[in-house]
Amino acid sequence: EDKVVQSPLSLVVHEGDTVTLNCSYEVTNFRSLLWYKQEKKAPTFLFMLTSSGIEKKSGRLSSILDKKELFSILNITATQTGDSAIYLCAGGGGSEKLVFGKGTKLTVNP
Amino acid sequence: KAGVTQTPRYLIKTRGQQVTLSCSPISGHRSVSWYQQTPGQGLQFLFEYFSETQRNKGNFPGRFSGRQFSNSRSEMNVSTLELGDSALYLCASSLDRGHSPLHFGNGTRLTVT
Repeated sequence: EDKVVQSPLSLVVHEGDTVTLNCSYEVTNFRSLLWYKQEKKAPTFLFMLTSSGIEKKSGRLSSILDKKELFSILNITATQTGDSAIYLCAGGGGSEKLVFGKGTKLTVNP
Repeated sequence: KAGVTQTPRYLIKTRGQQVTLSCSPISGHRSVSWYQQTPGQGLQFLFEYFSETQRNKGNFPGRFSGRQFSNSRSEMNVSTLELGDSALYLCASSLDRGHSPLHFGNGTRLTVT
């Protein structure tokens, strides 16, 4: 059965810190790895990664995929209180459905 | 462009009742997926619809069902509600199948008492 595991489950940092969130996956016929941010209700899309070693970047957020080691990381630099959220990782494969990890709850204190 | 719209936002039902949740996808999106989110289990896949056909189904009992209409709008039905069905039900749409990113609605918070 396809599986996505995120670590840590929760993280508390101070504004200005840099954080790294981890996501490992076991997905049959893997095709893509996606990151979402969930604040109050709807998860919002951050990145989709399909190729190994290519970094996707958006402002202070960046993500990279390692298809050989079956993991991805999401980096957030110079964290702000507005970055406080649950970050979800999802793997997509041959079954055409996304399998989500349980998320990392990030709290950024002022 | 309007986002994914889910109604109602909140629902309180008692055990044994049934419930229908509604989802309107982003205009032009043809695939609609449903997820159940609980604190313990995270986001769990329920089913996916494309062109009015169920294309994928998660590991949920037959009490959970859904359908998609010709305008891509989707409904999800849960019959004989149990306390454990209390959760946030999220609908997501995508342009097509094959891992174009999912865009989520704000969800329906279902409480079963």
